Order: sequence, then structure tokens, then C-alpha cells
Amino acid sequence: GAVVSQHPSRVICKSGTSVKIECRSLDFQATTMFWYRQFPKQSLMLMATSNEGSKATYEQGVEKDKFLINHASLTLSTLTVTSAHPEDSSFYICSARVTSGGPTDTQYFGPGTRLTVL
Amino acid sequence: AQSVTQLDSHVSVSEGTPVLLRCNYSSSYSPSLFWYVQHPNKGLQLLLKYTSAATLVKGINGFEAEFKKSETSFHLTKPSAHMSDAAEYFCVVSGGGGATNKLIFGTGTLLAVQP
Repeated sequence: GAVVSQHPSRVICKSGTSVKIECRSLDFQATTMFWYRQFPKQSLMLMATSNEGSKATYEQGVEKDKFLINHASLTLSTLTVTSAHPEDSSFYICSARVTSGGPTDTQYFGPGTRLTVL
Repeated sequence: AQSVTQLDSHVSVSEGTPVLLRCNYSSSYSPSLFWYVQHPNKGLQLLLKYTSAATLVKGINGFEAEFKKSETSFHLTKPSAHMSDAAEYFCVVSGGGGATNKLIFGTGTLLAVQP
């Protein structure tokens, strides 16, 4: 149980275009999903926290107009990288939290999406 | 503020020998601590978590970790390494002070297992 999927797994796009990444919890409902970014050989950095039915909360330094997050249902959150540039190339990973609240909840991670902007 | 420090960026062991991956944490509150593993081009998989119950936590694939408050440590161990254990391991701290369950990741330890 507790499987999280991401689509696509890899995407290559031209500079200036927008890319949408989907994150789905397959066998559980998640009121909260998280989006992370991982640069090569570095750790994961939280970009934003996505709550179903409300606006996402972005971490300091993350442009909300560039990284649009929509959490339309209890099983789906999307991240759209708008007007992508080569410096946006990275590994984007989502996670979903089982909805029981509290700091001990476990986050289940998706397999990640490798974005390459040419 | 909460943080974790993984003391070794790379660890290399021989197959069949013990594994020790070190992690120290800093937290103003009672922390929840996790170890995640990431195989190449794969998502993160939860190995184990500490949530203020037993200080010795057993996880999957033979891994375990011991929470030592006096040393602010949460080192990951395994008695006998297997080739399939080669991966990146992240120590993670969460929660406390009304935080929204944000996970703070360490910088990772790359484990190599030699035949």
C-alpha cells in the first residue's frame, strides 16, 4: 500500500515552454502533498506544501508564479513549471501524507520526474 | 530550528560486513526521525522511523537505528551488507513546534558495497 506515482518520469522541453508534472496517490487519500527539488548529488529541498482545495504554501525563495501547484483532489496534485529555462532542469519529487495529522505521519514519495530544459 | 547532519558523504563496505551510516540531529522539540533510501533514478523508500516510542527502531531489509538523545544521534546500522544495499541514504527530521510536518533532509550518504 501507500503508493505514489508521478507522470511523466522524464521530460525534455525547449526553453520558454511550460511543463506539467502529475503526482497521484494510488491507494490512499492525501489532503497534503509536497513538492521537492533535487539537484545532482544534492539533497531534497522542499519547494511547496500543497493542500487539497486550498492554495499551496511555498518555501522561501520559490517563485509561486513560476511553479504553479494545483491540488484538485485528494489523490492528485500537479506542478507546472511555467516558461521553463535551463536552470529549472532538475529532478522533481512529490510526496503524499496519509491524512491522520501530527508530526509522526509518514510521507510516501513518488519516483520523481527528470526535467531537462534545452 | 531543526537540522540533520550526515557525517559521511560516502561509505564503502565489503559485502557481508557491517554497515554504519551516521546521523546527528538538532531540534528544539522532541523530533521524529526517519531514514530513507534512494536507488539510482528511483523515488525515496522509507527504511524506518522513530516516533518517541522504542529507541531502537527496526526497519526493512535488516536495517535498524538507535535514537540516542544524549548524543543527539540516530545512526543507521545493518549487520551484513548486501550488494543490493548500494544506494543513497538520507537521514530526515520532522515535526515539532507546530510545524506542518515538513521534512528536513540531510545531505545524504552514498553507500557503496564491494564484492
